[in-house]
Amino acid sequence: AQSVTQLDSQVPVFEEAPVELRCNYSSSVSVYLFWYVQYPNQGLQLLLKYLSGSTLVKGINGFEAEFNKSQTSFHLRKPSVHISDTAEYFCAVSLQTGANNLFFGTGTRLTVIP
Amino acid sequence: ETGVTQTPRHLVMGMTNKKSLKCEQHLGHNAMYWYKQSAKKPLELMFVYNFKEQTENNSVPSRFSPECPNSSHLFLHLHTLQPEDSALYLCASSLGDGLNTEAFFGQGTRLTVV
Repeated sequence: AQSVTQLDSQVPVFEEAPVELRCNYSSSVSVYLFWYVQYPNQGLQLLLKYLSGSTLVKGINGFEAEFNKSQTSFHLRKPSVHISDTAEYFCAVSLQTGANNLFFGTGTRLTVIP
Repeated sequence: ETGVTQTPRHLVMGMTNKKSLKCEQHLGHNAMYWYKQSAKKPLELMFVYNFKEQTENNSVPSRFSPECPNSSHLFLHLHTLQPEDSALYLCASSLGDGLNTEAFFGQGTRLTVV
C-alpha cells in the first residue's frame, strides 16, 4: 500500500522568510511525485512534479522540491515567501505502474505573516 | 483558469433531494476523475473514467452515481445523501491512462446536505 505524510498541518512564516513544507511517502513500487496548491475557494493547481531525471525540480511561483529516494521524501521549498503564497499545499504520488490513482497527503496550510 | 469547469459552485440540498454536479473540459483529455475533499482528510478519489469507461470505483456508496457521456463531460448524480456527504467535490482531467501526467482540477462544487 502507498501513503503520503505531510507532518505539518499548519506552517506560519513571515513574509520574505524561507519556507520548507515536508512530504514523506511510502510505496512498494516506484512513484511519481507532485505538489499542488489550493487557494481559498479554488481547485488544485500543479506547482511542480518529479517524473525522472534531476532530483531537484523547479516549479511555478519560485517553488522547488527535491526528491530524496533514500529518505522517501519530496520536500517543497521557497527561499522568500510572499503574502500571495498563503494557501493549502498538497503533496501527492502516483504509481509508475500507470494506475489511475493519485494519492494525496492531508495538506499543509501555509500562512504568510506580513 | 485550468480548462476544467464545474457547475454549480455551491449547492445546498436536502437529504431527499436529487441533484447533479457537472464537469466539463475541452483540453482534449481522455481521463476524468471525481474527488471528495473533506476537512482534515486527504483527498479521496471516488471515480475514474478513461475514454468514457469507468475504470475505478473507490467503494463509493450507491447514492453517488457517475455518468460520462463523452470524454469532455462528467456528471455526478446525487440522491438521498447524508449530512456527512457535505464536502468539496472536485473534478479533474488528464491526458489518459495514469496520473503521471499533470491532472487539471476544476474549482469544485461546495456541497452542503441539510
